[in-house]
Amino acid sequence: QQPVQSPQAVILREGEDAVINCSSSKALYSVHWYRQKHGEAPVFLMILLKGGEQKGHEKISASFNEKKQQSSLYLTASQLSYSGTYFCGTELMGNTPLVFGKGTRLSVIA
Amino acid sequence: DSGVTQTPKHLITATGQRVTLRCSPRSGDLSVYWYQQSLDQGLQFLIQYYNGEERAKGNILERFSAQQFPDLHSELNLSSLELGDSALYFCASSLTPSTGTGGTGELFFGEGSRLTVL
Repeated sequence: QQPVQSPQAVILREGEDAVINCSSSKALYSVHWYRQKHGEAPVFLMILLKGGEQKGHEKISASFNEKKQQSSLYLTASQLSYSGTYFCGTELMGNTPLVFGKGTRLSVIA
Repeated sequence: DSGVTQTPKHLITATGQRVTLRCSPRSGDLSVYWYQQSLDQGLQFLIQYYNGEERAKGNILERFSAQQFPDLHSELNLSSLELGDSALYFCASSLTPSTGTGGTGELFFGEGSRLTVL
């Protein structure tokens, strides 16, 4: 049931864009995105609910394709502060705990 | 600072030993979750408590147990430790019993307890 994230790692230069994908073989109720900086705890970015709209957070936005059971996280005009590991967490039904993917390591360089 | 406190931050012990990890949730949060983070598996859900009751169980080994006390702090007990139990153990809290339906959607993570089994 663990969602699959791709790519596993990506290196960007400041100002470049990136897309991180999260897919599930099961029907999803919601998708959550977290960012974990090195040596720190994961921090919530956003939640996308089934039937909901695309969400945004600063220059980071995400979408949820219910037909494909996929979510994508879009990072535009990346900044050094975007570096970290991004995790998607999926909820199969309402009121069930999140199951996280293995993460995508994003490195932004000057 | 998420408001979630975990102790100890680091712990080194030997195989076969038993350890207890402690978590104090954010003030007012009733739900506590435990996650294990290892390099190759990401964040693995172990167990959830809500207001003192076990609410959901994930890939938690029989050697592991947890509980949530009346003051809402939680403890994760790991026994008969093996080398493979070395990992970062996170506690997270939320106000509601769910992160999705009817919930605020956000888990607040503590800084973790890094366990090294030698």
